[in-house]
Amino acid sequence: QKEVEQDPGPLSVPEGAIVSLNCTYSNSAFQYFMWYRQYSRKGPELLMYTYSSGNKEDGRFTAQVDKSSKYISLFIRDSQPSDSATYLCAMSGWGAGSYQLTFGKGTKLSVIP
Amino acid sequence: EAGVTQSPTHLIKTRGQQATLRCSPISGHTSVYWYQQALGLGLQFLLWYDEGEERNRGNFPPRFSGRQFPNYSSELNVNALELEDSALYLCASSLFPARTANTEAFFGQGTRLTVV
Repeated sequence: QKEVEQDPGPLSVPEGAIVSLNCTYSNSAFQYFMWYRQYSRKGPELLMYTYSSGNKEDGRFTAQVDKSSKYISLFIRDSQPSDSATYLCAMSGWGAGSYQLTFGKGTKLSVIP
Repeated sequence: EAGVTQSPTHLIKTRGQQATLRCSPISGHTSVYWYQQALGLGLQFLLWYDEGEERNRGNFPPRFSGRQFPNYSSELNVNALELEDSALYLCASSLFPARTANTEAFFGQGTRLTVV
């Protein structure tokens, strides 16, 4: 079982739709959870991070963490064509004597005008 | 404030050659991470440096190596290049990830290495 599982998609939605992106993980050492957005041929940019179970909202984006289920989500409301990108979940924490920052494979999202 | 910068942007090498990739972290950041992003494989962790020391290493052969300089910039070296080393190599930097507090990692734009 991989440490972080993320459905690679691709996911195609109409403009204005609500998008739900998800990741599961197996390593209990992960304490911090992040979402990155990566446009084609660019480096990933940090969108949101959280360390506690529950929801965190930032504009049209909501990050949700359920540590008991080892499940995290990113919701995008009123999706826009500019949201078309690959979204990577990332998790970090200290385990096995070292710090790990591990990424999911990414979900490619297309928002159709 | 300048972000993470990587050079070169593109690099074309022949199989068997060596490649050197460079990364300058955000000012004040001491930790530098290297990742390989090959098509369809996501970000694969290569190396983590902090304060000039290698702190952790991913599951890559020894021909992938690097170092961190006193100014916290870093270099990734790939020896005996193979065709499958063709990928986007990403560098990220952060403050040292203390055990009790999160630290965000910021990425550069990457170096696209093509091995022919």
